Amino acid sequence: AQSVTQLDSQVPVFEEAPVELRCNYSSSVSVYLFWYVQYPNQGLQLLLKYLSGSTLVKGINGFEAEFNKSQTSFHLRKPSVHISDTAEYFCAVAGGSYIPTFGRGTSLIVHP
Amino acid sequence: DTGVSQNPRHKITKRGQNVTFRCDPISEHNRLYWYRQTLGQGPEFLTYFQNEAQLEKSRLLSDRFSAERPKGSFSTLEIQRTEQGDSAMYLCASSPPDRGYEQYFGPGTRLTVT
Repeated sequence: AQSVTQLDSQVPVFEEAPVELRCNYSSSVSVYLFWYVQYPNQGLQLLLKYLSGSTLVKGINGFEAEFNKSQTSFHLRKPSVHISDTAEYFCAVAGGSYIPTFGRGTSLIVHP
Repeated sequence: DTGVSQNPRHKITKRGQNVTFRCDPISEHNRLYWYRQTLGQGPEFLTYFQNEAQLEKSRLLSDRFSAERPKGSFSTLEIQRTEQGDSAMYLCASSPPDRGYEQYFGPGTRLTVT
């Protein structure tokens, strides 16, 4: 069984400030890790993924995440956010079938 | 590449009625997934197809739910005898061959059961 915990339901931040969205996972098998973004009334869009290799993963829109196996974490970061980054962010973990288990989401609110 | 499309985008129905949703995946994508998302939650896996074969079903998929993917192209999700607890966003996703981790989501169908 696998699960994901997103530690913050809401993260408010000012424009151009850095942000970190936290994600911890549990899994009994090797994992693949993902971050998705969902804008209002839209489906999910893949931001980045960790499959293997380098633990620092770069994605779209300037986001990056670091896989930390010892801490079972996969936190998402961006050095400088924009108003347009306001959205819901979901962390997900998958096993060999690639079927993801999603966290409950973190609402990123960027203030001008 | 037109993306994953879902129809209808919104559906309001009365309790006890049957509803059917359609998903058209990206062409050449052999895997197709259905998820359900309720307010304040992440998507929950329901079922997936590889080509026309339904390979896995979640325990969430009660016997009132049925999904098909005839000819390995579009898919339908039918809910019979709808209940208020079925109100949710139903999301479809597809992925290309050998890249099942790369899922492309449609905009979803929002179901409201009154």
